[in-house]
Parts: sequence; structure tokens; C-alpha cells
Amino acid sequence: EADIYQTPRYLVIGTGKKITLECSQTMGHDKMYWYQQDPGMELHLIHYSYGVNSTEKGDLSSESTVSRIRTEHFPLTLESARPSHTSQYLCASSDMSGKLFFGSGTQLSVL
Amino acid sequence: GENVGLHLPTLSVQEGDNSIINCAYSNSASDYFIWYKQESGKGPQFIIDIRSNMDKRQGQRVTVLLNKTVKHLSLQIAATQPGDSAVYFCAENMTPGNQFYFGTGTSLTVIP
Repeated sequence: EADIYQTPRYLVIGTGKKITLECSQTMGHDKMYWYQQDPGMELHLIHYSYGVNSTEKGDLSSESTVSRIRTEHFPLTLESARPSHTSQYLCASSDMSGKLFFGSGTQLSVL
Repeated sequence: GENVGLHLPTLSVQEGDNSIINCAYSNSASDYFIWYKQESGKGPQFIIDIRSNMDKRQGQRVTVLLNKTVKHLSLQIAATQPGDSAVYFCAENMTPGNQFYFGTGTSLTVIP
């Protein structure tokens, strides 16, 4: 059973608001990831980190930013949310074998 | 990203029958593959993985087959149960620990 947690589970906000999606894992994994997923569609990598103070952009362009100050914590921030940001955001971490463990996701709706 | 795609977007099977979900990948250098199950409102859950030095791997009620010649991956679920209803994704990776590329999921519906 993976120990990776995302909060909030659901978030509805107005355009222009700044938001931070939280992700924490207690497995001591160095590698962490953020994926964006629209309903019924594939997952798109938007950010990843190979360890503390390491952050990289993924394949899908995103206006979000991430930080990795602690191994267990990998928050994602949107400075000014827009309706086009409405989506599900999934956080994951991987063990030494490369296997990904996912959180339950944050469903974001921007009005 | 790499092109990882599933042949069928939806699949309906009778309870108790076997299910086969297919996946095509385009990168012949990919050497690690994972099948994930995603239930409504939840994150993807690991089902089974396989490395490129194998062509078959079995788990509990699930089997993954890898055909590197035609770059094809399949997931077989034996004696499908209603709890198996979900969206299934395959994901490929060139080396363990690097980014995974996911295909469009197949939605499996089990008919009681």
C-alpha cells in the first residue's frame, strides 16, 4: 500500500486566485512527479523532481510551478488560476525499481 | 512524449469471462512497462509490471504479455469480476526510474 497523500481532494475556485496543491509521501522516495489528467484521457507529466532542490518541467507545458525543499513534500502552485486549468492533478513518487505510486488526486475546477 | 496508445477505448465483458486489454507502444528502446487500474475518482493503482527481457509475467488473476517484435503489450484478467470495472492504462519507460509515458485508457465494464 502506497503512502502518498494529496490535499485538497476537491477544489473549486474563481479565476485569478493563487492556489497550492499539496502532496506528501512517507516512503522516502527521491523521485516525485505531477501529472495532469482530463476525464477519460491519458496522464500528462507536468513536473518532476529527482530529489531535494531538484525540479524539472515535464512534457506538457504548464503554468504551474513546483518546489522540493523536503524529500517528502512536493507542492504544486498556480499563481493565477484560469478555467483552462480545470483538470485532475495526480501526484506520484517512485521507488528504486521505477514503479510509480499515485495519490488519490486533486480535482480542480476554476470558475 | 512517446506514443503509447490503446487499441480499444471501451470493453464490456460478462462476469466470469476473461478480459484482454491491448496496448501498442512506439519506442522500441522502452524496456519497462506497467499496467495501472484507475477507478472513478481515484489515482491509478499498480497492477503488474514487466521488463523487456521477459515476454510474460503472471500475477493474481492477471497476466501481462509483451511482444517486442510488434511493440505490443496486453493485460489478461481471468474470471473478470465487477470490482475489475475501471479504466486501465499501460505505461512505458526506457529505463527504470525515468519518466513514464501513458496511453489513453481502456474503460472496462463488467456485466453481472
